[in-house]
Amino acid sequence: QVDLVESGGGVVQPGRSLRLSCATSGFTFSTYGMNWVRQAPGKGLESVAVIWYDGSDKYFADSVKGRFTISRDTSKNTLYLQMNSLRAEDTAVYYCARDREQWLRRGGPMDVWGQGTAVIVSS
Amino acid sequence: EIVLTQSPGTLSVSPGERATLSCRASQSVSSNSLAWYQQRPGQAPRLLFYTASTRTAGLPDRFSGSGSGTDFTLTISRLEPEDFAVYYCQHYGSSKTFGQGTKVEIK
Repeated sequence: QVDLVESGGGVVQPGRSLRLSCATSGFTFSTYGMNWVRQAPGKGLESVAVIWYDGSDKYFADSVKGRFTISRDTSKNTLYLQMNSLRAEDTAVYYCARDREQWLRRGGPMDVWGQGTAVIVSS
Repeated sequence: EIVLTQSPGTLSVSPGERATLSCRASQSVSSNSLAWYQQRPGQAPRLLFYTASTRTAGLPDRFSGSGSGTDFTLTISRLEPEDFAVYYCQHYGSSKTFGQGTKVEIK
């Protein structure tokens, strides 16, 4: 059974940092591109960060470029999102999602999603 | 970066009726790299279609995806109660962008 479980969300003051984790199971993590997608309260979906299956390339939305980094630990089958210099507009539910196809060297559709972890940036 | 515009923003439909959702891209989408997702309240999104018209496993055939270039359509032929949700289109490739969503509500 394929599963993604996010953790690390919470309430944080503006300007501070937070690291989200996504523990994966049920598939060969090292062969799939992975994503972080966020959804602000009452709003739509925003693709925040993407990392290729081998970590050789990454993509970031303009809204987080220079502040967020994405990484993966194959030994732990875990995806991370390091969020620095957090702003009120980063308040959202953050979803971890898997690309549908293996071995992609480009972005793909996302077929498996976690249930999300909420990040609230507030003083 | 490709911008996706979905219309209408909200669609009021009675159960059993047909719903037609539109997604227009600001430039041509190569290889039909367009997906559709459904999101029910309180749930994570669910992939419905990729490459514009390829249905995911287990998706009822009342759902269909079509289109190419800059104009794409998601059609639900006969709405069931579980179909009332928000639907997003997404372009994927060198970057990933979502449309703003269409809410399908009960009329």
